[in-house]
Amino acid sequence: QAVLTQPSSLSASPGASASLTCTLHSDINVGTYSIYWYQQKPGSPPQYLLRYKADSDKQQGSGVPSRFSGSKDASANAGILLISGLQSEDEADYYCMIWHSSACVFGGGTKLTVL
Amino acid sequence: QITLKESGPTLVKPTQTLTLTCTFSGFSLTTSGVGVGWIRQPPGKALEWLALIYWNDDRRYSPSLKSRLTITKDTSKNQVVLTITNMDPIDTATYYCAHTLLYSDELGYWGQGTLVTVSS
Repeated sequence: QAVLTQPSSLSASPGASASLTCTLHSDINVGTYSIYWYQQKPGSPPQYLLRYKADSDKQQGSGVPSRFSGSKDASANAGILLISGLQSEDEADYYCMIWHSSACVFGGGTKLTVL
Repeated sequence: QITLKESGPTLVKPTQTLTLTCTFSGFSLTTSGVGVGWIRQPPGKALEWLALIYWNDDRRYSPSLKSRLTITKDTSKNQVVLTITNMDPIDTATYYCAHTLLYSDELGYWGQGTLVTVSS
């Protein structure tokens, strides 16, 4: 079982909301981690979106619209990236990341299609 | 304005050692809390974190690749160098360097990446 698991793909309609999940290995508790989210468009490097640990401990990336937000589902041991008011330009790959045992770990990424 | 740029060979042979250089501007690796890391991405696949070095020379490595990686810095040249020994075709990837800050730990600024192909 991977440290971080993301669904490989997700589709949503323009104007709708999309919830991208990042499930942590069962041996580690999402409550103790900051979850980082990155967006990557074809041919470009990843761009940092935000960090979420709790409502009291979060950070939005510079210039990142507020319609990108983070949360957690403790019952699912997962971090969530919520994108509201989907736009065609949001179509991209999204990666979650944590720091675990002094090393950085990425999830396998979710390809978001807006159609 | 923070910028980073990766450079190095585009083609290496199996078993060779790869040396990549990240040249940056807009910050200094002598500033407390600053770090530079390396991440790679095989064609069509996910990101994989490799290594990171902080201003105080603290170094972190991917556990699965630690035996093959060395990261160093040259603060006078504003450069970070990553070496990977014993290259294999599965190491074919785009290699990125990125800026980070201790305590916040986001990879906030990325270079454009450099594609390295491993082939005989």
